[in-house]
Amino acid sequence: NAGVTQTPKFQVLKTGQSMTLQCAQDMNHNSMYWYRQDPGMGLRLIYYSASEGTTDKGEVPNGYNVSRLNKREFSLRLESAAPSQTSVYFCASSEAKSEQFFGPGTRLTVL
Amino acid sequence: GQQLNQSPQSMFIQEGEDVSMNCTSSSIFNTWLWYKQDPGEGPVLLIALYKAGELTSNGRLTAQFGITRKDSFLNISASIPSDVGIYFCAGSIGGTSYGKLTFGQGTILTVHP
Repeated sequence: NAGVTQTPKFQVLKTGQSMTLQCAQDMNHNSMYWYRQDPGMGLRLIYYSASEGTTDKGEVPNGYNVSRLNKREFSLRLESAAPSQTSVYFCASSEAKSEQFFGPGTRLTVL
Repeated sequence: GQQLNQSPQSMFIQEGEDVSMNCTSSSIFNTWLWYKQDPGEGPVLLIALYKAGELTSNGRLTAQFGITRKDSFLNISASIPSDVGIYFCAGSIGGTSYGKLTFGQGTILTVHP
């Protein structure tokens, strides 16, 4: 089992460009999450999907959109990237209770 | 929104020393989790706590769910160099927010050989 996988690992964008971060899990989990991690601020929830077909905003959703493509995949889209979106992005998944399992992250720089 | 205050922000210790860190909240959580993050990696779950007062161990790690449900503690005994990393606490209130976690800011642990 690969667990939670994310692509790409690194990305550099120019202001205004768009991109989609991909996430997939092979643990048959119902719930999936997108977080961003900035220095000194821990992890903040951007969007989550409690189950296939549903998505909800988290703490910091502005500037992002998500798609729960199927049970395995949950993508995060930046329509018009801004320097404030420079961060490390983590995808996570969970089944019972609240134990979430994280992917390795995508390091995004917006110039 | 809910906030978790994690302390200390950083620790510099000698190999073999014990380590303690804690998380406090202004509101109640029904689940507490402790994660470790190595440089360049995603967080890895260390310990999960589900009942107030619960004390759980995982090797040299011991964590407790505070009886007020507003705090949690993590202890590492006899630290070794591979304990280096960032430790995060996370809490969940459950219910309709089932699965949604609030994270602390992290404790950066450095272990000197």
